[in-house]
Amino acid sequence: QLQLQESGPGLVKPSETLSLTCTVSGGSISNYFTWVRQPPGKGLEWIGYVYYSGTTNYNPSLKSRVTISVDTSKTQFSLKLTSVTAADTAVYYCVRDLGSSSYGMDVWGQGTTVTVSS
Amino acid sequence: QSVLTQPPSASGTPGQRVTISCSGSRSNIGSNYVYWYQQLPGAAPKLLIYRNNQRPSGVPDRFSGSKSGTSASLAVSGLRSGDEASYSCAAWDDSLNAWVFGGGTKLTVL
Repeated sequence: QLQLQESGPGLVKPSETLSLTCTVSGGSISNYFTWVRQPPGKGLEWIGYVYYSGTTNYNPSLKSRVTISVDTSKTQFSLKLTSVTAADTAVYYCVRDLGSSSYGMDVWGQGTTVTVSS
Repeated sequence: QSVLTQPPSASGTPGQRVTISCSGSRSNIGSNYVYWYQQLPGAAPKLLIYRNNQRPSGVPDRFSGSKSGTSASLAVSGLRSGDEASYSCAAWDDSLNAWVFGGGTKLTVL
C-alpha cells in the first residue's frame, strides 16, 4: 500500500524559502505526485505536480514562486516556495495524482503544518 | 475564493439523507470528472468519490455522487455521527490547466 510522508521545517521566516520533502514508500514513484495546501480554516488549494520523468505543472497563482522536483533514486519529491508571507501558512499535503480522467488524487500524506512568522 | 462553490455548512439527523452541492463552470465540472473528498477533524482528506459517481473500495454505498452540466452533488444517506466531517469537491480546470477545489462543506449530524 503506497504511503506518503511529508517532512520539513514547521516554521519559516517571512521572505525566506519554504522547503518540504515527501517520501514515497510501499509503491511506485512512477506516477504524478502533487502538492496541495490548506490554510487554517480554509479550503484546499492545488500547488502543482511533478511526473517521475521530471515534467512539472504549477498553479498559475503560485507559478512564479514554486518549484517541484523529483529524486527517483531516493523515491522522494520536493516542494520549494520562495518569498513566503503569512498567507503561505498552511497544512501542506503530498498526494499521488492518478489524473483527472482516472482515480484523481487518491493517496494523501498525513500533512505537515508550516507557519510563516518571524 | 475557491473556483468551485459549495455551501459552507450542511446538517441532518441520524438516518437522514443529506446532499451537498458543488457548482462550477464549463471549463471544470462542465468538461471533466468531479471528485469528492472527506476530511475528518484533524485528518488528511480521503478520496470518497471519483469520476463523478464511483466509490473506491471500502467506501460505503451510503455515499453517492452525481453530476449534471456544470454542477455536481454528493449525497449521504443513513446519516451517522461518524459522517461529521468536511466534504470538498474537486475537478480539473482546462482553462487554468490546474486542479480546482470547492471551499468545503462542514457536515454536522444533529
